[in-house]
Amino acid sequence: DQQVKQNSPSLSVQEGRISILNCDYTNSMFDYFLWYKKYPAEGPTFLISISSIKDKNEDGRFTVFLNKSAKHLSLHIVPSQPGDSAVYFCAASEGNTDKLIFGTGTRLQVFP
Amino acid sequence: GAGVSQTPSNKVTEKGKYVELRCDPISGHTALYWYRQSLGQGPEFLIYFQGTGAADDSGLPNDRFFAVRPEGSVSTLKIQRTERGDSAVYLCASSRQRDTEAFFGQGTRLTVV
Repeated sequence: DQQVKQNSPSLSVQEGRISILNCDYTNSMFDYFLWYKKYPAEGPTFLISISSIKDKNEDGRFTVFLNKSAKHLSLHIVPSQPGDSAVYFCAASEGNTDKLIFGTGTRLQVFP
Repeated sequence: GAGVSQTPSNKVTEKGKYVELRCDPISGHTALYWYRQSLGQGPEFLIYFQGTGAADDSGLPNDRFFAVRPEGSVSTLKIQRTERGDSAVYLCASSRQRDTEAFFGQGTRLTVV
C-alpha cells in the first residue's frame, strides 16, 4: 500500500529549463509535505516543505505546489542546473506522528 | 560533529549473524529516526526516538530488529539472525525537536550473504 507515489522514475531536462517533479498521495490525513534530494552514496538532503494550510511555498529556484483536493504536489525547479541532477523524494507526515512516508523517488538529469 | 554520522559505511555479514549499526546525531538534536532504503525504493520508517525512549517503533519489521539510545544521543540499531532480505541501506536522521525537518546521515549499506 504505497501512500506516497512518484509515478515518474526519471526525468531529463535541459539546463536553464524548468523541471517539474510530481507526487501523489492517498492519505487525506497527511498535513505536511517535504521534498528531499539525494546524491549517490549520500543521505537525503532536505530541500523544501509545505504545510497543508498553504498551496505554495517558494525558496529561490525551488517552488512546491500543493493541491489538496487532487492529493497532488509538485516541485518546480527553475532554471534547472546540472548540479540539480539527483534523485528527488517526496515525503509526507500526518498530524502528531513524526515518521515520514516517502515516495519511490524520481531521478532528475539536467543536461547542458 | 557538523552532521549525522553513521558507522560503518559498509557492512557485509553472513546470513544468521548479528550486526550493530551506529548513529551519531547532530549535537543537541533530541529526535532520532532510523529508516531503511531498499534498492529502487524510498526510505522506509523503522523507529523514532525522542530522547532516550522509543516513541514509535511501528516500522520495525519483526523482533529480530531492535534499537537503543541509552543516553539520548548515540543510537544503535541491532539486527539478530540476519537474513538476505535485510540487505539495504540503513539511514539515520536527527532533528532538533519534533519538527519534521530531519537531517540524514550518509547511511550504512548492509549486505547479507
